[in-house]
Amino acid sequence: ETGVTQSPTHLIKTRGQQVTLRCSSQSGHNTVSWYQQALGQGPQFIFQYYREEENGRGNFPPRFSGLQFPNYSSELNVNALELDDSALYLCASSTGAGSPYNEQFFGPGTRLTVL
Amino acid sequence: AQKITQTQPGMFVQEKEAVTLDCTYDTSDPSYGLFWYKQPSSGEMIFLIYQGSYDQQNATEGRYSLNFQKARKSANLVISASQLGDSAMYFCAMIPNNAGNMLTFGGGTRLMVKP
Repeated sequence: ETGVTQSPTHLIKTRGQQVTLRCSSQSGHNTVSWYQQALGQGPQFIFQYYREEENGRGNFPPRFSGLQFPNYSSELNVNALELDDSALYLCASSTGAGSPYNEQFFGPGTRLTVL
Repeated sequence: AQKITQTQPGMFVQEKEAVTLDCTYDTSDPSYGLFWYKQPSSGEMIFLIYQGSYDQQNATEGRYSLNFQKARKSANLVISASQLGDSAMYFCAMIPNNAGNMLTFGGGTRLMVKP
């Protein structure tokens, strides 16, 4: 089975621009979660998608938005980029948003730098 | 709200020795799951071990074991027979029962294994 993949690997943007990050979930997984990991910190939950619907959201402003497609891949969109958005963005896939104990499989992340 | 605290920013251990990474948590939920992840410099989060709050026995996975003390709200990771490849960031995380798959992470501990 294929693992979680993310694209692009690295990205450089300037303040005010918009960015789209992509995630392909592991085969058979219907839930995708996105996390932001600033340098030297633990990841912070952004939001989760379960069967194409947003299933929970962390403390992030509305300029962070997402989509999940019928094949359960997902996009994270960030508008009006700010310097503090510079971080590693991690995507994780799992089966069944209803159970808290399903193992989440993480992708390698996208490193976003905002200048 | 739940919180994870990892008080050791960095740890050194001699190769082949055991090491304990500390983790304390705070939650009002009676049911929750506790996780440990390893993050090498490549960025990907690698699942190591899981402990459910109602599990009677401490979890073990190969060289990893979790020292779960529920009354003290601690979930320390023990790595036996350290290897050079164990050098990485280690994150403790939890999912309370009502939060689906939304992980809350601690700040991490950087483990460095000396030859």
